[in-house]
Amino acid sequence: DIQMTQSPSTLSASVGDRVTITCRATQSLNSWLAWYQQEPGKAPKVLIHKASILQSGVPSRFSGSGSGTEFTLTISSLQPDDFATYYCQQYNSYPWTFGQGTRVEIK
Amino acid sequence: QITLKESGPTLVKPTQTLTLTCTFSGFALSTSGVGVAWIRQPPGKALEWLAVIYWNDDKRYSPSLKSRLTITKDTSKNQVVLTMTDMDPLDTATYYCTHLMHYWFYFDYWGQGTLVTVSS
Repeated sequence: DIQMTQSPSTLSASVGDRVTITCRATQSLNSWLAWYQQEPGKAPKVLIHKASILQSGVPSRFSGSGSGTEFTLTISSLQPDDFATYYCQQYNSYPWTFGQGTRVEIK
Repeated sequence: QITLKESGPTLVKPTQTLTLTCTFSGFALSTSGVGVAWIRQPPGKALEWLAVIYWNDDKRYSPSLKSRLTITKDTSKNQVVLTMTDMDPLDTATYYCTHLMHYWFYFDYWGQGTLVTVSS
């Protein structure tokens, strides 16, 4: 199985901050990586797929980059709605696996 | 507009079999490329992929749970059913069903989730 490791596990930031979350895989993913945002009590929502493609309807302050085994999710200017937990997920091979999550909290 | 909704028991006893139904609209599981997957999330923990079924009846399972899982589809009812045998308290989680497209494979639409508690 491909293991996904996110860092940091928790991030404290203020509105307007630039935020970066990293996701590392134990094998090359050929860019088959997605990022999800999950607000408390809600289902996850896809933000980015194929490492850098912004899902339709997602604000442009979200961006993804990376290839191989290291990927990043960047929020260019943190907004109040962005305080949530973020997960990366690989779909390069079965079994599909998720990172452990990064909680973005208010500083 | 694609929507999915999970249904099933909220409480099951240890060793029992869980049956969850995903009822969807806005797409057909008979359409080439379409898939429906199940994902779960224990309280306060990360997401875990369980199983997927595709339009052509191809099925894949998480290896760690494969012996306990069965996924089936009923295209006439727009439903996908997941059964999980020998339930344990560690299986307590919110269970989500999701839509995906073959080749892209990411989860683009999610149901609201259903919390299943395993307790005697």
